[in-house]
Amino acid sequence: GAGVSQSPSNKVTEKGKDVELRCDPISGHTALYWYRQSLGQGLEFLIYFQGNSAPDKSGLPSDRFSAERTGGSVSTLTIQRTQQEDSAVYLCASSGGTGGQPQHFGDGTRLSIL
Amino acid sequence: AQSVTQLGSHVSVSEGALVLLRCNYSSSVPPYLFWYVQYPNQGLQLLLKYTSAATLVKGINGFEAEFKKSETSFHLTKPSAHMSDAAEYFCAVSYTGGFKTIFGAGTRLFVKA
Repeated sequence: GAGVSQSPSNKVTEKGKDVELRCDPISGHTALYWYRQSLGQGLEFLIYFQGNSAPDKSGLPSDRFSAERTGGSVSTLTIQRTQQEDSAVYLCASSGGTGGQPQHFGDGTRLSIL
Repeated sequence: AQSVTQLGSHVSVSEGALVLLRCNYSSSVPPYLFWYVQYPNQGLQLLLKYTSAATLVKGINGFEAEFKKSETSFHLTKPSAHMSDAAEYFCAVSYTGGFKTIFGAGTRLFVKA
């Protein structure tokens, strides 16, 4: 497709389980961002990838969160031992530029932890 | 450290009235500033951006924003609201050469007929 694609669109899981969220950026975009949007709050920066450079992980809230980007394209955000406070919409965005701002957002994955 | 404050989580205007959504930023270095819009059931999209060129920035759908350094503000305006403008609007800041874009909490705009 032409846009940023995220899967699954919805995920419900039990507390303590691991989850993987996937992001397919726009083809050719070198920059990829993950954000988290909790109910009634703004977007919280999680991690940023730019080409082959080391990612900026400064927004990851705990060591239960990790992300990788294989081949400079698809990215996976993994949350281990999920907690109820992890419930949120996880947004992925990509950009063709080398810095500044995310341009194109996916529709997000709504994660609910029971 | 950079931060963004959006005044008013909800703003309601009548169709045809002026839209004013407020955003104040905090940045120790020259900022890049952005407005994003999220229409119902759609993803976020970039509305406009300021990157140290003209202080008055024009975006899509008739929106514009003015960078005022003295007031550390980047308010979003539109002269005449349309029903289709009903959405959530996010102000965001990053800094020259940086990649971490910080978002405000968002302002939901309601447009009354």
